[in-house]
Amino acid sequence: QIYLVQSASEMRKPGASVTVSCKVFGYLFTNYGVTWVRQAPGRGLEWMGWISAKNDDSKYAQKFQGRVSLTTDTSTRTAYMELRSLTSDDTAVYFCAAGAMAYCGPSCLAPSFDNWGQGTMVAVSS
Amino acid sequence: QSVLTQTPSVSGTPGQRVSISCSGTASNIGDHTVHWFQQLPGRAPQLLVYVDDQRPAGVSDRFSGSKSGTSASLAISGLQSADEADYYCATWDAKLDGWVFGGGTKLTVL
Repeated sequence: QIYLVQSASEMRKPGASVTVSCKVFGYLFTNYGVTWVRQAPGRGLEWMGWISAKNDDSKYAQKFQGRVSLTTDTSTRTAYMELRSLTSDDTAVYFCAAGAMAYCGPSCLAPSFDNWGQGTMVAVSS
Repeated sequence: QSVLTQTPSVSGTPGQRVSISCSGTASNIGDHTVHWFQQLPGRAPQLLVYVDDQRPAGVSDRFSGSKSGTSASLAISGLQSADEADYYCATWDAKLDGWVFGGGTKLTVL
């Protein structure tokens, strides 16, 4: 059985950075990719980016370019999402999702959303 | 303002069939596969349908997805109280070069 366990909730002040981890159990980590999605309170889902655990290929949402970094550590089967220069608008629950790379259309190959972590709340407040 | 348009809410009675729509454009739904997610209150999203109309193992066949042109739909038959949740569609957008989600549809079982 595949499951993902994320790190605990975090509180940060504006301007700070936060790193959320996502440990993967139950499958060969390097065969898959990890996608990060966030959800502000009472709002919908927002895609942030994905990273391949096989070769570290990655793609970021234009909105987060330059402010987010996705990494993986294959020795610990863990994916990381670092978000910098935080503002109150970054207050949200951050989810990781893992799955095999899959065709999604012309010139589109991205991790599927098969399995999700439980979410990590990040609160940004002065 | 979400790139994909979903009706904010839909309701039905137990046993009824409801449909949730997701409208996009040629650069997203028109040319890419659509996924649907169910998010129960206070929980992480769960993949319900992938590649337009495929169900992951363990997902009830009461849930079915379809796509036509630049729109997609999720149908839920034999409605149950346990189906009360938020439902999101998602697809790749070639212009934005990334995944986009619908704004979500809240399903209420009366």
